[in-house]
Amino acid sequence: SQKIEQNSEALNIQEGKTATLTCNYTNYSPAYLQWYRQDPGRGPVFLLLIRENEKEKRKERLKVTFDTTLKQSLFHITASQPADSATYLCARSRADSWGKLQFGAGTQVVVTP
Amino acid sequence: DTEVTQTPKHLVMGMTNKKSLKCEQHMGHRAMYWYKQKAKKPPELMFVYSYEKLSINESVPSRFSPECPNSSLLNLHLHALQPEDSALYLCASSLDADRRTEAFFGQGTRLTVV
Repeated sequence: SQKIEQNSEALNIQEGKTATLTCNYTNYSPAYLQWYRQDPGRGPVFLLLIRENEKEKRKERLKVTFDTTLKQSLFHITASQPADSATYLCARSRADSWGKLQFGAGTQVVVTP
Repeated sequence: DTEVTQTPKHLVMGMTNKKSLKCEQHMGHRAMYWYKQKAKKPPELMFVYSYEKLSINESVPSRFSPECPNSSLLNLHLHALQPEDSALYLCASSLDADRRTEAFFGQGTRLTVV
């Protein structure tokens, strides 16, 4: 089956440290990978998008990398803050069916002061 | 206005009831989506509307019936649901279904079927 997998265990991290989340996928290589943040009982909020021909993308304290050889994307939150505590979802889509986003189950991040 | 608004926020319905979920956006987006999310699971795509036409139906049971009355509104009509249909139903929109832009999600409707 076609899978997109994220660490199911929560990531507990101390304030100020860097959180690194992993997203691995099987079968087809996506044209685009997206990362979303989801708080309990709320809809996902878009954070970053990276294309297959891009190695790295940054936005403020966030950085995402995309390695098509390893079939993996890494998501980094630098100088983490308690307000960063949430579940982070990765999602992929093909170039010919952009509307069909396939989400990973997400990794919960808990940042403690 | 960068919001996708969903109503109601919570809904409890019996298995013989008929209800509707509503979604509205005023960003000029031409693609709108319904997702279903169970606890601790990823959102799963149900339907995609592109330019007010249904373009993707992910083999969703007929007890879920989508409707797109105009480019700003998306409804999901519910009839004869089962308790296992209880979930968070998310509406999303994007510029269109072909351009490579992000999706904006609503807050969701928490549906409980009793």
